[in-house]
Amino acid sequence: GDSVTQMEGPVTLSEEAFLTINCTYTATGYPSLFWYVQYPGEGLQLLLKATKADDKGSNKGFEATYRKETTSFHLEKGSVQVSDSAVYFCALREAGRRALTFGSGTRLQVQP
Amino acid sequence: EAGVTQSPTHLIKTRGQQATLRCSPISGHTSVYWYQQALGLGLQFLLWYDEGEERNRGNFPPRFSGRQFPNYSSELNVNALELEDSALYLCASSLVSGDQPQHFGDGTRLSIL
Repeated sequence: GDSVTQMEGPVTLSEEAFLTINCTYTATGYPSLFWYVQYPGEGLQLLLKATKADDKGSNKGFEATYRKETTSFHLEKGSVQVSDSAVYFCALREAGRRALTFGSGTRLQVQP
Repeated sequence: EAGVTQSPTHLIKTRGQQATLRCSPISGHTSVYWYQQALGLGLQFLLWYDEGEERNRGNFPPRFSGRQFPNYSSELNVNALELEDSALYLCASSLVSGDQPQHFGDGTRLSIL
């Protein structure tokens, strides 16, 4: 079945550091890929998405590129802020299906 | 534009009781999804409703059920509550057509004593 694997957290960075959160997936078809962010006490917010190979999703300084050859969708940001502290979830949705399959989430802590 | 709203925010029940959770989708969205976020188990898909019909369900027992009303709002019902049902239940909505992203509410925290 489908699965998403994320790097273990927490990831602790200083403000203005470079961020990478790794995400790899297993899927039978050609899924759409998503990053969601969950701030404390809140639900999930869609951060970015990519629907086909080589697509780059971007939002709020975050980027991720759909790499079919490595089945990866790593999240990056050039300079993190304290306000980026949250849990980040990588997810996929198989073509023709509606259910999202999520990774286990990676907690990011940014220190001033 | 109002987002997905869920009620109540917190719900405390005891084993064997029933719980009802409610969700109002974003205006214009006809599809509603329910997910369970349990400690140690991550986010798991529960149910998908569209146009009043259950379209798909995840790997959960039948005591997890729900419905969608004509105004597209939805209820999730959990019968015969067990301790392991303690979790954050998230509702999401989307447009029905194409590759539309799901937008999530803030969730209902269900605690089973």
